[in-house]
Amino acid sequence: SYELTQPPSVSVSPGQTARITCSGDALPNKYAYWSQQKSGQAPVLVIYEDTNRPSGIPERFSGSSSGTMATLTISGAQVEDEADYYCYSTDSSDNHRWVFGGGTKLTVL
Amino acid sequence: QVQLVESGGGVVQPGRSLRLSCAASGFTFSSHGMHWVRQAPGKGLEWVAVIWYDGRNTYYADSVKGRFTISRDNSKNTLSLQMNSLRAEDTGVYYCVRDTYQTPMDYWGQGTLVTVSS
Repeated sequence: SYELTQPPSVSVSPGQTARITCSGDALPNKYAYWSQQKSGQAPVLVIYEDTNRPSGIPERFSGSSSGTMATLTISGAQVEDEADYYCYSTDSSDNHRWVFGGGTKLTVL
Repeated sequence: QVQLVESGGGVVQPGRSLRLSCAASGFTFSSHGMHWVRQAPGKGLEWVAVIWYDGRNTYYADSVKGRFTISRDNSKNTLSLQMNSLRAEDTGVYYCVRDTYQTPMDYWGQGTLVTVSS
């Protein structure tokens, strides 16, 4: 079955740039999406179609994709950005089924 | 504003059934596909199922195919998930999630907890 691979954890100091990667064999041909889940809360979409930011999401959040890897970048990470981040995309062989990465715990301290 | 409110969670024995519901408001429900996504305690997100805006097409994760059924009632702005033959590994928080063409899974409910235990 298709998998998206993320690092389990990333740690940065406030004001530094955090980069979270998502690797998948089908990503050259499919969009990646990113959601943020703070402790005890429901997820929130932060990046769609590789690079786009929904309204209301701070400009410090950006996305990119190259080859089999998508990257979520938080420029000047804030303490309030500490959360679990999940990439997701459609299955490599079925556009109607979805796959999540395992999630990355971002620590900002 | 968009609101998705899940209900129907609880404790159920293995092998039994449970039906989850999601009440949608603040948007045109009949224009959006809808997903169920779950999260086991302390674990990551797992996509469960999706239903198209008109209910004509449904798709499932392999882990639930044949046991779970997603449905909707556009006249009542309600999404449902019928879960049969429940297993311990089905335990988790189940989220109702809106789908939009460019921004899939753009709004999430707060979730309802399902615990499968004897």
